[in-house]
Amino acid sequence: SQQGEEDPQALSIQEGENATMNCSYKTSINNLQWYRQNSGRGLVHLILIRSNEREKHSGRLRVTLDTSKKSSSLLITASRAADTASYFCATQPYFSSNDYKLSFGAGTTVTVRA
Amino acid sequence: DTGVSQDPRHKITKRGQNVTFRCDPISEHNRLYWYRQTLGQGPEFLTYFQNEAQLEKSRLLSDRFSAERPKGSFSTLEIQRTEQGDSAMYLCASSLGQGAENTEAFFGQGTRLTVV
Repeated sequence: SQQGEEDPQALSIQEGENATMNCSYKTSINNLQWYRQNSGRGLVHLILIRSNEREKHSGRLRVTLDTSKKSSSLLITASRAADTASYFCATQPYFSSNDYKLSFGAGTTVTVRA
Repeated sequence: DTGVSQDPRHKITKRGQNVTFRCDPISEHNRLYWYRQTLGQGPEFLTYFQNEAQLEKSRLLSDRFSAERPKGSFSTLEIQRTEQGDSAMYLCASSLGQGAENTEAFFGQGTRLTVV
């Protein structure tokens, strides 16, 4: 079963607006990663945030992590048409049983309108 | 190109045939993962390796699926007696990890399998 759940499932915004999507997960994590996937292509890594971090930035991307609520958010500022893609969060569980696999949610599909 | 590469990119096969996919990870990465993705869904974990050791195999995988990573370098995923339900994108990823620490995982472009 998948660990993370993204919300919303789909998001449509105007170019230049900000896009925010959320990820909730169930068990304790070592880190959480966000990925982007353009239609029919492989996944591109965006940001990794560790369990002891609360916020991280990369260019127009901002990720927050709230381990008490078991949730994370991804903010894309000043969106562009090229940001149209599906976005996935993936969690690596807390090290307790040699479990290193990443578990993905179902993703948020973002459409940026020109 | 020093990224993760997968071969072939596309495969069409008849039901009942065997298929094998190859993944070449980033050279210094010791962990290698296989995922399956169907339309509109997130990647589903299949199996992963640390060096040459297969650490876990998903319960989603039937006995028709087998994966190997000889010498801890490239990996192969074989599906025997393919079924139409096996049609999906098969994704490979690699990362560098030591104990609980793990770098980001980098994905290949995937192999799209169509079983007719």
